Amino acid sequence: EAGVAQSPRYKIIEKRQSVAFWCNPISGHATLYWYQQILGQGPKLLIQFQNNGVVDDSQLPKDRFSAERLKGVDSTLKIQPAKLEDSAVYLCASRPGTGRLGTQYFGPGTRLLVL
Amino acid sequence: DQQVKQNSPSLSVQEGRISILNCDYTNSMFDYFLWYKKYPAEGPTFLISISSIKDKNEDGRFTVFLNKSAKHLSLHIVPSQPGDSAVYFCAASLPLNYGGSQGNLIFGKGTKLSVKP
Repeated sequence: EAGVAQSPRYKIIEKRQSVAFWCNPISGHATLYWYQQILGQGPKLLIQFQNNGVVDDSQLPKDRFSAERLKGVDSTLKIQPAKLEDSAVYLCASRPGTGRLGTQYFGPGTRLLVL
Repeated sequence: DQQVKQNSPSLSVQEGRISILNCDYTNSMFDYFLWYKKYPAEGPTFLISISSIKDKNEDGRFTVFLNKSAKHLSLHIVPSQPGDSAVYFCAASLPLNYGGSQGNLIFGKGTKLSVKP
């Protein structure tokens, strides 16, 4: 079974530029998450989708971050404009089912550096 | 304010000995706890979990202990192997719809375990 795929793996941009990350979850997984992991910290949830609907985006900085999950499969996370403090690893995770419990499977992440 | 705390940034253990990783939490309403392991340049992978109705869960070399009165959990790895060297994250979850919770995971900062041959 293929794992969660993310691209690009690395991205370097200048502040005020825009950037987009892509995630392809494990086939059939209904729930998808985007996390931000700043160096030295644990992953912090940005947004949770169930199928193509948003369940929780309470920690998403909506003035600059946006995310969508088209047709309940792939997802993109966008930052526009980027700030220096957005430098982090952005992790995508997916989970089968829509209940609370169940293992989240993480992708390798996209490492973003904002200069 | 951190709700899940891993106060030891790093731990070094000799191969074959026991590794004990600790985690404290502040919210007594957390009812589900997990440990994830992360190698460099990879995403975290699930290791073991425990529900608040239990005080111990075991899976091979890995055992998680939960002390609800102390709001403390620990992960024991016996015997430790060099391949266990990684960053270990403790995570906790609130019940669904408690205080608006969607049951999502709140992670600690992680503890880097080094197992020396």
